[in-house]
Amino acid sequence: GAVVSQHPSRVICKSGTSVKIECRSLDFQATTMFWYRQFPKQSLMLMATSNEGSKATYEQGVEKDKFLINHASLTLSTLTVTSAHPEDSSFYICSARLSINSPLHFGNGTRLTVT
Amino acid sequence: TQLLEQSPQFLSIQEGENLTVYCNSSSVFSSLQWYRQEPGEGPVLLVTVVTGGEVKKLKRLTFQFGDARKDSSLHITAAQPGDTGLYLCAGASAGNMLTFGGGTRLMVKP
Repeated sequence: GAVVSQHPSRVICKSGTSVKIECRSLDFQATTMFWYRQFPKQSLMLMATSNEGSKATYEQGVEKDKFLINHASLTLSTLTVTSAHPEDSSFYICSARLSINSPLHFGNGTRLTVT
Repeated sequence: TQLLEQSPQFLSIQEGENLTVYCNSSSVFSSLQWYRQEPGEGPVLLVTVVTGGEVKKLKRLTFQFGDARKDSSLHITAAQPGDTGLYLCAGASAGNMLTFGGGTRLMVKP
């Protein structure tokens, strides 16, 4: 089946630094990738929708300058958390799909801890 | 904004008991998906229901889509400790965009 790989699975960084999270579709070309944030014991909250070759569409309340998304190829999207603060600590998950009517495939998430 | 209300938020039961999780909305969805997520991992798709009134079974799990395609339920028969996890419903709307429910955290005690 389709596989989405997310890296790293865990990262600890100091306040003020930037962290990049990668999301790769391993065996299909993902025209659209989605980035979510999940707080402990809560559901997934969509942060942004990323289409290959174009700017990401951010959900209301998500700062685009803080959460930089790049989708330069059909198999890779990256989320960079810039100038991270402790309140950015969370579980970040990506998902990808081949086309608009294709099923979504989720990565295994990245646990970010900002100290 | 389409909202999906999922209930209960938390459920703790004994092994062998039955349970039902509900997912309700005032909006119509083109399809509805159920996921199960374990700690530290991404959600895993269990089932997609598309037709109003549709019922799908996956071993001890029974999924139903409401006739009006606004609500869905997940029923687990004879729950086992391995069923423990976070269950998420997600409704698909225009552009196949998913709206997630708030999740139901299930704990099955042996």
